[in-house]
Amino acid sequence: GDSVTQMEGPVTLSEEAFLTINCTYTATGYPSLFWYVQYPGEGLQLLLKATKADDKGSNKGFEATYRKETTSFHLEKGSVQVSDSAVYFCGLNQLANQAGTALIFGKGTTLSVSS
Amino acid sequence: DSGVTQTPKHLITATGQRVTLRCSPRSGDLSVYWYQQSLDQGLQFLIQYYNGEERAKGNILERFSAQQFPDLHSELNLSSLELGDSALYFCASSVIAGTSGGTQYFGPGTRLTVL
Repeated sequence: GDSVTQMEGPVTLSEEAFLTINCTYTATGYPSLFWYVQYPGEGLQLLLKATKADDKGSNKGFEATYRKETTSFHLEKGSVQVSDSAVYFCGLNQLANQAGTALIFGKGTTLSVSS
Repeated sequence: DSGVTQTPKHLITATGQRVTLRCSPRSGDLSVYWYQQSLDQGLQFLIQYYNGEERAKGNILERFSAQQFPDLHSELNLSSLELGDSALYFCASSVIAGTSGGTQYFGPGTRLTVL
């Protein structure tokens, strides 16, 4: 079945460092790809998404490009801040059937940024 | 604030008991999703409803059931609870079903502890 694999954390960085969180997927068809972020004690918030190959999603300085040839959707940010400390989830949304959808997530990567 | 509300925030109960978790979707959203987040299984899709009808099913146990009411709020019923059911349960909503590009908006979650 469909699956998402993320790099294992925790990832620990200093403020202003470059961030990459790797994400690869296995899916039939052409899923949409998402990055969600979970801050401590909160629910998941959509960070960015891409719905087709070569699309680049971006938000708040974060970027990810839908790479069909490598089945990847790596998350990057040029300069992280302490406020970016959170758990990041890569996910894909596949049509479960003609009427429904299901978001499949990776296990999450914890990012800790220190000043 | 995503606009998705969940009650209660915390729930502590004993093995063998039954509980009901409630979710109100964002205004205008017809589709509701339930997810379970646990340390060992990660974030897993349970079930989706659209305008009162079940649309997609994931790894939902037979002891669990859900429904969506005419006012579009949804309830997740968990029965014969076991220690392993302790987890964070999220509800999410989206405008429509049947399209993989749709964004799901998550509620803050209900933390269930089974003693």
